[in-house]
Amino acid sequence: DAKTTQPTSMDCAEGRAANLPCNHSTISGNEYVYWYRQIHSQGPQYIIHGLKNNETNEMASLIITEDRKSSTLILPHATLRDTAVYYCIVRSYNYGQNFVFGPGTRLSVLP
Amino acid sequence: GAGVSQSPSNKVTEKGKDVELRCDPISGHTALYWYRQSLGQGLEFLIYFQGNSAPDKSGLPSDRFSAERTGGSVSTLTIQRTQQEDSAVYLCASSPGLAGGEQYFGPGTRLTVT
Repeated sequence: DAKTTQPTSMDCAEGRAANLPCNHSTISGNEYVYWYRQIHSQGPQYIIHGLKNNETNEMASLIITEDRKSSTLILPHATLRDTAVYYCIVRSYNYGQNFVFGPGTRLSVLP
Repeated sequence: GAGVSQSPSNKVTEKGKDVELRCDPISGHTALYWYRQSLGQGLEFLIYFQGNSAPDKSGLPSDRFSAERTGGSVSTLTIQRTQQEDSAVYLCASSPGLAGGEQYFGPGTRLTVT
């Protein structure tokens, strides 16, 4: 899997948008970008994934640059419950590929 | 519907003892994964099951670790002769098994070896 680079930590004010960046400059054509988060003492939670088009669901939006070398996860109105470690993962769309989790970004939503 | 469940939620054992950790995947999910997460660290892949195929054991750290999946559903991860470095949270995930399907994680089992 391609490696990803994320900031170690970020702060965001409650109610504001949280924009979490991820660099994946060596991503290959068949690799998707996945985002997971892990709230303290819980298992990772799937957020969203995409290939090259921007994606949106009830949790977040995913913006992928045209060259696919970076992406941004957007939480439109962050709440205190969004405080977590956010993982950006690139993974090919194959059976059985396990997710390789890096250290992620620790997002702190502040009141 | 019900998510992935794991038991026990916490397990404290003495060094040298064997432990069994259980995972109940989401009904109908054909793929099942085990990971472990040491304190403050990222997730480490251990083993993967897909249907009736031979499991991918490439992530198991030693021959003290083994896992089985009975009837294509419940899985048990067994650690023999536990060591202190085995202390971690052991996470199970399941997936529909379709190409690219996202994985759904259980709450984990926190194992402490004293």
